[in-house]
Amino acid sequence: QKEVEQDPGPLSVPEGAIVSLNCTYSNSAFQYFMWYRQYSRKGPELLMYTYSSGNKEDGRFTAQVDKSSKYISLFIRDSQPSDSATYLCAMSRDNYGQNFVFGPGTRLSVLP
Amino acid sequence: GAVVSQHPSRVICKSGTSVKIECRSLDFQATTMFWYRQFPKQSLMLMATSNEGSKATYEQGVEKDKFLINHASLTLSTLTVTSAHPEDSSFYICSARGLGQGQETQYFGPGTRLLVL
Repeated sequence: QKEVEQDPGPLSVPEGAIVSLNCTYSNSAFQYFMWYRQYSRKGPELLMYTYSSGNKEDGRFTAQVDKSSKYISLFIRDSQPSDSATYLCAMSRDNYGQNFVFGPGTRLSVLP
Repeated sequence: GAVVSQHPSRVICKSGTSVKIECRSLDFQATTMFWYRQFPKQSLMLMATSNEGSKATYEQGVEKDKFLINHASLTLSTLTVTSAHPEDSSFYICSARGLGQGQETQYFGPGTRLLVL
């Protein structure tokens, strides 16, 4: 079993749709959770950073963490074609990157 | 956010040659830099972590004599792929973090695409 699992997609949605991206993990020691967006042939860009279970909202993005189920989600509201990218979840044991692991990424296409 | 640059953005070389990739933090002092490799449609895999002025720490399975990392200043780290082979063709990404900074301030470079013929 991989440490972090993520549906690779591709996921295609119409513009304006609500997108749900998910990751599951097996290591209960993970405490910090991140979502990155990576455009084609570019480096990842941090979107959301969370520590505790619950929801965190930033504009059209909401990150959700359920540590009891070892499950994290990223919701994108009112999706735009510019949101088309690969979304990577990542997690670590501490705030300094101990056991920092990326998920394989989900490729999202938002169709105009 | 802070800016991390990489040079070159793309390189093609012949098998057996060495290639050097530079990673620079442009507006902050990066006490820690990370090097990742990403194969097509796969996630980023950490290769090594380097702290300024000390030897890099390599992940299991990464050959330190093949992937030479130098982090001689607070704004520059280099990765040299020695005696490159076609299987080394990949997307190499660096990231940088300042002293005492947490994960949320780890900034990624734009990546370097290496193709070994």
